[in-house]
Formats: sequence, structure tokens, C-alpha cells
Amino acid sequence: EAQVTQNPRYLITVTGKKLTVTCSQNMNHEYMSWYRQDPGLGLRQIYYSMNVEVTDKGDVPEGYKVSRKEKRNFPLILESPSPNQTSLYFCASARLGGAREQYFGPGTRLTVT
Amino acid sequence: GESVGLHLPTLSVQEGDNSIINCAYSNSASDYFIWYKQESGKGPQFIIDIRSNMDKRQGQRVTVLLNKTVKHLSLQIAATQPGDSAVYFCAENQIIQGAQKLVFGQGTRLTINP
Repeated sequence: EAQVTQNPRYLITVTGKKLTVTCSQNMNHEYMSWYRQDPGLGLRQIYYSMNVEVTDKGDVPEGYKVSRKEKRNFPLILESPSPNQTSLYFCASARLGGAREQYFGPGTRLTVT
Repeated sequence: GESVGLHLPTLSVQEGDNSIINCAYSNSASDYFIWYKQESGKGPQFIIDIRSNMDKRQGQRVTVLLNKTVKHLSLQIAATQPGDSAVYFCAENQIIQGAQKLVFGQGTRLTINP
């Protein structure tokens, strides 16, 4: 089954404790992206990657890092989480040139206290 | 399920009626306009898109209309069913420095009354 998986699905952590949210896709897509979803603000792009070792900032990259060492994986790293990073996070993938049709993961609900 | 928004515009329709969800966009340079559906507890799912040089496109039970004069996009769902209950997002596909980027609207919550 073609899918995007994220782990963990739910995470409660404390300010300053480094964490990683993993994302993996099995569709051989070149394009991958991370979004955060907040009430009233819709989906905002954090980072995206057009291929292995190619990453770039989206609209809200501050406080986040990503890496793309393998085509299928695109982890999101919060080196020092803060309460304003409490949000619902989605990873998505698409074929290159077809990023208007993105396949989204199930989401990760992160709470930073 | 997950809460995807507490201050969303909402649309409530009777089962079997047609639904029309509207969206205003800002960037005339966008080459495609897209609709996504997000059910409770899930990630958004692509429904249909329309190229900027078209004004109408039909899918299965859905029709998207594009009015570039007033920068307005709409999604029409025929014979609305309980499974259509979701938050619907419009999005613009923008090309920025050679990279594709989706810019999402805030979403509209569609509720189906039995």
C-alpha cells in the first residue's frame, strides 16, 4: 500500500529536550515536505526537499532542522523545542513536478510544556 | 479525532443536497489551484486540481470552478454524503525559484445533516 508514515503519532515533551519526528514514504517520490497545522492558520510549510541531500526552507523554518540522506526518509528535528512549537505536524511526499498532488502522512501531535 | 481548527468557516448541508465551498486566492501567478479534503484524525487528501487557463473541471461528484477575474475558486460536491464531512482546503501551486510550493487557505468545515 502506497503511504507516508510518521512516528510518533503523539508526543508530549518538555522545553529544550531534543526530539526527532520520523517520516518515511514508499512511493519513490523525490519531493518531501513538512507542514505544521495550527487553528486559524491552516497548513504552513516548514521545510521541503526536492531530492536526496537537497533541502530548503519553507515559510516557518525557525527552530527546526531536516535532513534527506535517503530518498524515502525525511526526519524533522527540533533541537531545543519550545512551547510555541506545540502543533500538529504533517509530512508529505510527491513526485517531482507533481507537488500539487501531495500525499500526506497521518500527522504527529506534539505538545511542548 | 484531531482538532484541525477552532475558528474555521463552516458549511452545514442536508444529506443529498449539493455543497458549494468557496475560496478566495491572492496570487494571480499561480499555475494550478487545488482542493484537499481532511477528515478528522487524518492528513489532507488531494481531491482535484484545475489549471489556471481553465475555468471548470469535473471529477467524480465534484466540480471545481475558477474565476480569475475576481480570484475566486469553488468546489461543488453533488449529492453530499456523510462521508463528505471534513475540512476542505483550497491551495495555490506557486513556482518560486524553480521549486513548487503549495500555499494553503485556512479551510472550511463541511458538516452533513442527516
